[in-house]
This record gives sequence, structure tokens and C-alpha cells, in this order.
Amino acid sequence: GENVEQHPSTLSVQEGDSAVIKCTYSDSASNYFPWYKQELGKRPQLIIDIRSNVGEKKDQRIAVTLNKTAKHFSLHITETQPEDSAVYFCAATPGYSTLTFGKGTMLLVSP
Amino acid sequence: DVKVTQSSRYLVKRTGEKVFLECVQDMDHENMFWYRQDPGLGLRLIYFSYDVKMKEKGDIPEGYSVSREKKERFSLILESASTNQTSMYLCASSLIVFGQPQHFGDGTRLSIL
Repeated sequence: GENVEQHPSTLSVQEGDSAVIKCTYSDSASNYFPWYKQELGKRPQLIIDIRSNVGEKKDQRIAVTLNKTAKHFSLHITETQPEDSAVYFCAATPGYSTLTFGKGTMLLVSP
Repeated sequence: DVKVTQSSRYLVKRTGEKVFLECVQDMDHENMFWYRQDPGLGLRLIYFSYDVKMKEKGDIPEGYSVSREKKERFSLILESASTNQTSMYLCASSLIVFGQPQHFGDGTRLSIL
């Protein structure tokens, strides 16, 4: 089955800095890669996703890149703000139902 | 907007009890999922269902069962609760279409004493 590794487990940045979270996956058939943000005490919420036929996708301060050859994908957050502090999860799937999640990255943005 | 509702935010039960966690979604999604979330372990899939009365084991099904009698409702059952089942339980749903995200409920924090 699919295995997703996520790094780092914690990331501390100053407000205004950029943050990068990286994930690798094992199943070359995986073709959909969502990212979720989970604030303390709240549900995970989708923030951005990418399909295997696209190398990069942006949404304001957030971008995701995908390297299918190397089987890794990354989340980039620019101009970080304190409200970006949360746990971020990457996921991958080769199919139409289940997702395999990484173990999460706790991002702390200090004012 | 998709709404996934879990019946309880907090639940305290005793060892050996039979525990039911309920989840309802209002978007006619075919897929429904139960996850367990523990610190440092991420989201681990317990069971999922792609249709009424259909179920598939996830990564950690031991000690759990599920029921899906109606499309909108997916129940997680702890047959005989144990202390190592103390955790946050998250329900999710999605369309059975490529590239569709899962939508999560608020979670149930279950404590087994």
C-alpha cells in the first residue's frame, strides 16, 4: 500500500518568513495530493490540492509543487502570519476513495 | 457547504462497554470514513464505506466495527472498549470521483476509563 513520509514534524518561523513542508510517497500510481490544515481543537480542512498532471498550483500565499519522478510534493507558505500556526497534513491516493496521510507538521509562526 | 456532523464532541465510557460513535453527512457522498488521530501518529484509517451496507477495513480495524444502513449515516462501534482506544475520532465523507477531497467532522474525543 501507499506510504507517505512528511518532514519536518515541527517548524518554527518568524512572521513574514516562508515555510516549506515536504512529503514523499511510495506508490507511483498515486495521482491526487491534498493538503489539510488543522487548527487547535478544530477539524482538518482542505487548503490546496494538486493532481498528477500538474507540476505546481498557487492560491494566494500558498503553493504546492509536485515532482512525480522523485515522488515528492511540497507545501510552500509565503509571508507567514500568526494565524497560519496549525498542524498541516499531506496526503496521497492512487484511487477514488482512501487517502494515506503523513504524520503532520506543527507550524508555529511567532509575531 | 458540506456538513459532516459527529454526534458527540466529548465522550467518557468505561472499560468493557459497547460504544457507538455516530456520523451524518448532508451532501449525498458515497464514501464515508472513520479515522483515529493520536499525537505524532497522524490520521489512521479504521474503516471506510463506499456504499450502503458496504465496508472495507482500513489500517487499524482491530477492536472496531462499523455500520452503514443509510447513505448519510456511518457508525463506528467499539465492541468492548479498552483504555488503548482513548483517542480523537474523526469522521469524513467524499464523492467517489477522482480528485475529490474528504470533508471532516469536528471529531469526538473519547476517553475510556
